Amino acid sequence: DSGVTQTPKHLITATGQRVTLRCSPRSGDLSVYWYQQSLDQGLQFLIQYYNGEERAKGNILERFSAQQFPDLHSELNLSSLELGDSALYFCASSPGTGNTEAFFGQGTRLTVV
Amino acid sequence: GQNIDQPTEMTATEGAIVQINCTYQTSGFNGLFWYQQHAGEAPTFLSYNVLDGLEEKGRFSSFLSRSKGYSYLLLKELQMKDSASYLCAVRGPWNQGGKLIFGQGTELSVKP
Repeated sequence: DSGVTQTPKHLITATGQRVTLRCSPRSGDLSVYWYQQSLDQGLQFLIQYYNGEERAKGNILERFSAQQFPDLHSELNLSSLELGDSALYFCASSPGTGNTEAFFGQGTRLTVV
Repeated sequence: GQNIDQPTEMTATEGAIVQINCTYQTSGFNGLFWYQQHAGEAPTFLSYNVLDGLEEKGRFSSFLSRSKGYSYLLLKELQMKDSASYLCAVRGPWNQGGKLIFGQGTELSVKP
């Protein structure tokens, strides 16, 4: 158990809908990263938050947004969903400073039908 | 930007040694990480290099050459459970968030 919790584990929704994925980082970690992994693809970096503020942005679509709350949990919002958005969405956390690894949650498997 | 290359797939025999290479080109470097990922599961941390040289951790070792933009992961005494995807990742500079950028992963199949 990495200490990073993601909910829900599975999500099935229709095209055009909006969903929210939730991540609770490890206790004490200030940095949260979101990644998308489509079938047979690598981990694509979406966005990073550090202590409530956006720190880095990757190839995140305009239909996607995220935020980190004062209690450090984070949410990834996906709207106007398309079939191609079906993927595993991982959240990872790290202390945010120092050369330590990032710890990954178990992921949310999103299926858009 | 950042570009990370690793072979798509490799096959090795149980009990053997396999080396998975990773080359990278980055605008900033703050360490190189190797993760293991079984299908449908979360990546798990294997090793970390920030200085040149070899880091050994049981059956797994990782090497880094910063001047060549090159790393490898060495797996010894392969076991069937080592069949997985191995991900090379580079950490960017802290003034850009220190994010981890991953390569596409190398799918390793261990055969009896």
